[in-house]
Amino acid sequence: GESVGLHLPTLSVQEGDNSIINCAYSNSASDYFIWYKQESGKGPQFIIDIRSNMDKRQGQRVTVLLNKTVKHLSLQIAATQPGDSAVYFCAEKAYQGAQKLVFGQGTRLTINP
Amino acid sequence: GAGVSQSPRYKVAKRGQDVALRCDPISGHVSLFWYQQALGQGPEFLTYFQNEAQLDKSGLPSDRFFAERPEGSVSTLKIQRTQQEDSAVYLCASSFNSGLHSTDTQYFGPGTRLTVL
Repeated sequence: GESVGLHLPTLSVQEGDNSIINCAYSNSASDYFIWYKQESGKGPQFIIDIRSNMDKRQGQRVTVLLNKTVKHLSLQIAATQPGDSAVYFCAEKAYQGAQKLVFGQGTRLTINP
Repeated sequence: GAGVSQSPRYKVAKRGQDVALRCDPISGHVSLFWYQQALGQGPEFLTYFQNEAQLDKSGLPSDRFFAERPEGSVSTLKIQRTQQEDSAVYLCASSFNSGLHSTDTQYFGPGTRLTVL
């Protein structure tokens, strides 16, 4: 994805609702995808990952879905809590064995009480 | 703590000054990465080490940027003759494995916020 500079897409949800954060990628050869959470003043924190040979993976309160046909990745957070407020980034590795992460556009998740 | 640490957390430099940013990776981690994060954007790759070898420096924006990891542990990112466009958060990440697998998780430090006046 491309950065939109200072104007991050924003998602506001009610506490307790489910959140869905989307990410589009352009490289059909990308082998591996990761979601990171970044709180203000902190570095990105690993949430969940998925290989390109999978279409769904579940963690604790989080699910990642991968649709390779349309090159789309989503992160679902169940029962959103105030502590989930952060900027969420998807990242990819361009090919098997690639080391550097290529980050997509972030989404700011805000939780309303 | 057992995480990646970076110092200083904040650095203010006058344009033209040289700066050095330090990264202490998680003990035993073979791979180390530097990323640059401009305000409101995602991190962008700068360079990658496997032990002391710098295997990829394709993301370094100019020859004013230099990174080293002489003993395969601590790394330093040096920026010479800083310019205002160098203002950003510089993130360091490390991963355990030797880099043979794409799925090695990268763990990030808190970053150093550099402001060039």
